[in-house]
Amino acid sequence: SQQGEEDPQALSIQEGENATMNCSYKTSINNLQWYRQNSGRGLVHLILIRSNEREKHSGRLRVTLDTSKKSSSLLITASRAADTASYFCATALTGANSKLTFGKGITLSVRP
Amino acid sequence: GAVVSQHPSRVICKSGTSVKIECRSLDFQATTMFWYRQFPKQSLMLMATSNEGSKATYEQGVEKDKFLINHASLTLSTLTVTSAHPEDSSFYICSARDPTGTYSRNTGELFFGEGSRLTVL
Repeated sequence: SQQGEEDPQALSIQEGENATMNCSYKTSINNLQWYRQNSGRGLVHLILIRSNEREKHSGRLRVTLDTSKKSSSLLITASRAADTASYFCATALTGANSKLTFGKGITLSVRP
Repeated sequence: GAVVSQHPSRVICKSGTSVKIECRSLDFQATTMFWYRQFPKQSLMLMATSNEGSKATYEQGVEKDKFLINHASLTLSTLTVTSAHPEDSSFYICSARDPTGTYSRNTGELFFGEGSRLTVL
């Protein structure tokens, strides 16, 4: 069964705007990760946040985690057309190296 | 990041034939690899965890005899779809972790292959 549920399912923004994507999950986790997938390709790891962390930054990415609400958000600032892709959150339940369960994904379109 | 190579990227086969997909970790030795299946515009569903030198661990609902996994070396895992049928058509993706942490920015990060699109006629 799906652990993560992202919203919105699809997001279309203008280049330069910020994109915010949300993910909710159901059970306690060890960490939550965000991945990006270009159409027809494999996934690329973007950022990981541990259950005892609340916010992390990596370049134009900012991820937050609220374990009380079992939710996370991914913010991409100053979006670029090249950010167009599908974004997935994934949760690891029992440890850093446990299997990942992926959400349904969000399709982000950045218009030039 | 580390490279996980998957081959073939696309394969078309006739119903009833078997297809083998290879997943190789090029920069590190992977004692564990994960096989996922993805339907169009949907999420990744974990099929099985491939363990080097031992049997794979299959997720509930995944047929072991249908999807044969072999992890004979620390850098190679194979997924064989046996007696393929049109409903097996899908995008199959493998992934692995770097146990040494040399290529990982975060412990727990997965490196993915580019995926294999299987079409069964």
